[in-house]
This record gives sequence, structure tokens and C-alpha cells, in this order.
Amino acid sequence: GENVEQHPSTLSVQEGDSAVIKCTYSDSASNYFPWYKQELGKRPQLIIDIRSNVGEKKDQRIAVTLNKTAKHFSLHITETQPEDSAVYFCAASNPLTGGGNKLTFGTGTQLKVEL
Amino acid sequence: DAGVIQSPRHEVTEMGQEVTLRCKPISGHDYLFWYRQTMMRGLELLIYFNNNVPIDDSGMPEDRFSAKMPNASFSTLKIQPSEPRDSAVYFCASSGTGVSSYNEQFFGPGTRLTVL
Repeated sequence: GENVEQHPSTLSVQEGDSAVIKCTYSDSASNYFPWYKQELGKRPQLIIDIRSNVGEKKDQRIAVTLNKTAKHFSLHITETQPEDSAVYFCAASNPLTGGGNKLTFGTGTQLKVEL
Repeated sequence: DAGVIQSPRHEVTEMGQEVTLRCKPISGHDYLFWYRQTMMRGLELLIYFNNNVPIDDSGMPEDRFSAKMPNASFSTLKIQPSEPRDSAVYFCASSGTGVSSYNEQFFGPGTRLTVL
């Protein structure tokens, strides 16, 4: 089955700096890669996703890049703000195996944006 | 829509007791997922259903755990008997099958379970 590794486990940046979180996956047939943000005590919520037919996707201050050859994808947050502090999870899915949108999650990255 | 609804939000019980967690998915969604979240193990998929049928229960930790989905609007996750190591936040999530194969999972608020 799919295995997703995520690094780093914790990340501390100064407000205004950029943050990068990286994930690797094992199933070369995976073709959907969402990122979820989980604030303290809250539920995970989708913030951006990328499909295998594109290499990069951007939404305001966040962007995701995908390298299918190397089987890794990354989340980039620019101009970080205190409200970006949360745990971020990457995930991978192969709709052709397991059915539907079964997601395999990474272990999460605790991002702290310091003033 | 009110989103995915879970109950109870918090549950404190004693070891050996039966615990039942409940979930109402978003109307029209045909996939339902149960996750467990702990600091040590992260977010683990326990089981998921498609059209009320269990598809993959390989994540269920042991026979003490069982899940049912009697209809499209209700699912339960039961732990009997409960143990302290079952203490965690349990999330239910749902997704729908649209024109795309890629469909967002919407999470419920979670149930924080504490087994003493």
C-alpha cells in the first residue's frame, strides 16, 4: 500500500519568512495530493490540492509543487503570518486502488510562526 | 448543510466500558471514513464505507473495534471493551463522488475519548 513520509516534524519561522514542508510517497500510481491544515483543537481542513497532470498550483500565499519522477511534493507558504501556525498534513491517493478517495496521510508538521 | 456531525464531542469512560461514537455524513456523500488521531501515531484511517458497505477495515486495531453504517446518513464506531490506550480523538469524514475522481474529504469536529 501507499506510504507517505513528511518532513520536518516541527518548523519554526519568523513572521514574514517562507515555510516549506516536504512529502514523499511510495505508490507511483498515486495521482491526487491534498494538503490539510489543522489548528489546535480543530478538525483538519483542506487548504490546497494538486493532481498529477500539473506540476505546480498556487493560491495566494500558498503553493504546492509536485515531482512525479521523484515521487515527492511540497507545500510552500510565503509571507507567513501568526494565523498560519498549525499542524499541516500531506496526503496521497490513488483512486484506482482502494476506491473513492482513500487518503494516506503523512505524520504532520507543526508550524510555528513567531512574531 | 451543517457539515459532518459527530457525537458526543467528548466522552470520558472507565476501562472495560462500551463506547459508541456516532457520525452523520454530509447529505449526498457516498463515502464515509473513520480516523483516529493521537500524538504518537498521527492520523490513522480505521475503516471506510462506500454506499454503506465497508470497503477496507484493515486499519481497525483489533476485534474490540467495530463499525456499522445502517443507512446513508448514519454510522457508528463501537469499542467494547474500551482500554486506556484507546484514548484519542476520533474523526469521521465524508466525501462525494462527483465528475472528478478527486473529491475533498470533509472532516467532522471529532470526538475526544478518554478511557480511565
